[in-house]
Amino acid sequence: EDQVTQSPEALRLQEGESSSLNCSYTVSGLRGLFWYRQDPGKGPEFLFTLYSAGEEKEKERLKATLTKKESFLHITAPKPEDSATYLCAVQASGTYKYIFGTGTRLKVLA
Amino acid sequence: DGGITQSPKYLFRKEGQNVTLSCEQNLNHDAMYWYRQDPGQGLRLIYYSQIVNDFQKGDIAEGYSVSREKKESFPLTVTSAQKNPTAFYLCASSIFSGRHLADTQYFGPGTRLTVL
Repeated sequence: EDQVTQSPEALRLQEGESSSLNCSYTVSGLRGLFWYRQDPGKGPEFLFTLYSAGEEKEKERLKATLTKKESFLHITAPKPEDSATYLCAVQASGTYKYIFGTGTRLKVLA
Repeated sequence: DGGITQSPKYLFRKEGQNVTLSCEQNLNHDAMYWYRQDPGQGLRLIYYSQIVNDFQKGDIAEGYSVSREKKESFPLTVTSAQKNPTAFYLCASSIFSGRHLADTQYFGPGTRLTVL
């Protein structure tokens, strides 16, 4: 069964304290992996799409990487405004459905 | 500005009522989706549509219905048959390239439905 697991469930960081969020996936074949940011009461905001192992993408303090079994979202020198829930999703080969993890709630303290 | 709009932002339903959630996009996307989000759970797919006048059930379609009469619009009706409808509902859209690589989904701002 196709599955996505995110860890940790919640993470508290001091401002400037870099860390990584993990997204482990089990699919028969990967068409793409997605990272989103979601603020409370709002829709998810698209961050990155990764297609193949070894691929990396960056945006400001965020960097997403992909291996054959997992993806990491690295946050460098985070600021309080980076506080949000980060969602990971995959789309498997042979389907047009997207499978979402339960997210990591990130809190960055000033 | 291109984007996805959902209305209303908040919706209250009485027992036994049907309610309809609106989703409109001006991104010229072919595919549209409805998800339900509950605390502590991942987004769950209710319905999706890849082209006009065609749609497929997702993982939790019971108690919901949709229509896709126009490319821009994909309304969701929550019927009285849905026993636990209180949740945050998200509409999304993507191009439908038909290629091997995945198409990126973009989301609307959501509708919070509460049953009174």
